Amino acid sequence: AQSVTQLDSQVPVFEEAPVELRCNYSSSVSVYLFWYVQYPNQGLQLLLKYLSGSTLVKGINGFEAEFNKSQTSFHLRKPSVHISDTAEYFCAVSTLQGAQKLVFGQGTRLTINP
Amino acid sequence: DGGITQSPKYLFRKEGQNVTLSCEQNLNHDAMYWYRQDPGQGLRLIYYSQIVNDFQKGDIAEGYSVSREKKESFPLTVTSAQKNPTAFYLCASRWLTGANYGYTFGSGTRLTVV
Repeated sequence: AQSVTQLDSQVPVFEEAPVELRCNYSSSVSVYLFWYVQYPNQGLQLLLKYLSGSTLVKGINGFEAEFNKSQTSFHLRKPSVHISDTAEYFCAVSTLQGAQKLVFGQGTRLTINP
Repeated sequence: DGGITQSPKYLFRKEGQNVTLSCEQNLNHDAMYWYRQDPGQGLRLIYYSQIVNDFQKGDIAEGYSVSREKKESFPLTVTSAQKNPTAFYLCASRWLTGANYGYTFGSGTRLTVV
């Protein structure tokens, strides 16, 4: 079985500052990794995903994440945040085998202060 | 445009009543999923279906039921046996092309039981 831990439930940052949202996972098989963003009362929007290849993945809205197999991490970063980045962010894992269920972390609420 | 439609967006029910949440997709995706979201707990899998007329329990299936009579539709019934049904419910479908896959999410239904 897979599990995901998002190490920070809330992250406050100032506008134009860099941010890192941390995600660690546990799995006995190879995983695919995802980051989603959720705005209030809406569904999930995919920011980026890692399936294979380069461990540095670039996504939408200037976000990127790095897959680190030895540390079982998939941290999300943005060099300069905007007020519009205020949202909840979810890290998730899945596998190619079986039902390919997405297993989510608890979420990180990113708050951007002016 | 293709996508997942969840209706209604907000739903109020009295305690002890069953209620059915609708999820329809026109993406021709085989697999569909239901997740429950509570503050600080991320998304938890309720039920999933990989093909028509087949579905499996997720991690928190007690008090819920589903059906998959058509590829496009995967309704979720919240029964009176569900102890704490007030939550945000998200439906998703999965696409698969070779070793590449991803998920599409609906915009969710917020259920409030009074």
